[in-house]
Amino acid sequence: AQRVTQPEKLLSVFKGAPVELKCNYSYSGSPELFWYVQYSRQRLQLLLRHISRESIKGFTADLNKGETSFHLKKPFAQEEDSAMYYCALLWDYKLSFGAGTTVTVRA
Amino acid sequence: EAGVAQSPRYKIIEKRQSVAFWCNPISGHATLYWYQQILGQGPKLLIQFQNNGVVDDSQLPKDRFSAERLKGVDSTLKIQPAKLEDSAVYLCASGRGVHNEQFFGPGTRLTVL
Repeated sequence: AQRVTQPEKLLSVFKGAPVELKCNYSYSGSPELFWYVQYSRQRLQLLLRHISRESIKGFTADLNKGETSFHLKKPFAQEEDSAMYYCALLWDYKLSFGAGTTVTVRA
Repeated sequence: EAGVAQSPRYKIIEKRQSVAFWCNPISGHATLYWYQQILGQGPKLLIQFQNNGVVDDSQLPKDRFSAERLKGVDSTLKIQPAKLEDSAVYLCASGRGVHNEQFFGPGTRLTVL
């Protein structure tokens, strides 16, 4: 069963514009959610996790249990934010990843 | 600290051949994961180790895939025989525990012709 859905395959924004990456999940328990990022020619790495409630590189993500969403937001996109972003859900000690969203920030 | 190491980085084989991938996790990390990432998809967990024991291998195609983690450190993933649909990037990751951050290796890109 598809547990994590990222509806946008591609997202293109201008530098300085806000960016929001959507993530919806299906899970009956208490979810533990993450955003991972892969910059060009780099490894997949953790960007942030909802339990930390912190802002990393200007990104924030709020868990909305009512809408079963964990959208990633940044108010002012930078060119260095261009990357592949994956939303992931930890369930039964396993990480289930979404299909990913490619973000391109144009100058 | 040194990151997760994987080799080879690229491999091209013909269908029905065998292939093996190697992973060296970050020192001291108890958990080790193998993921398969097919083009256009997110990583899919194949097998998860805690030290040298298997925690989950429910998504590992056991008729052709096998993995081991001897001595709880390095791990190998083998495919025998390979099929066209096995073409993918195989990622290894390690972490201190199942609730801790996973650190990923660079991956091995496998092409099956």
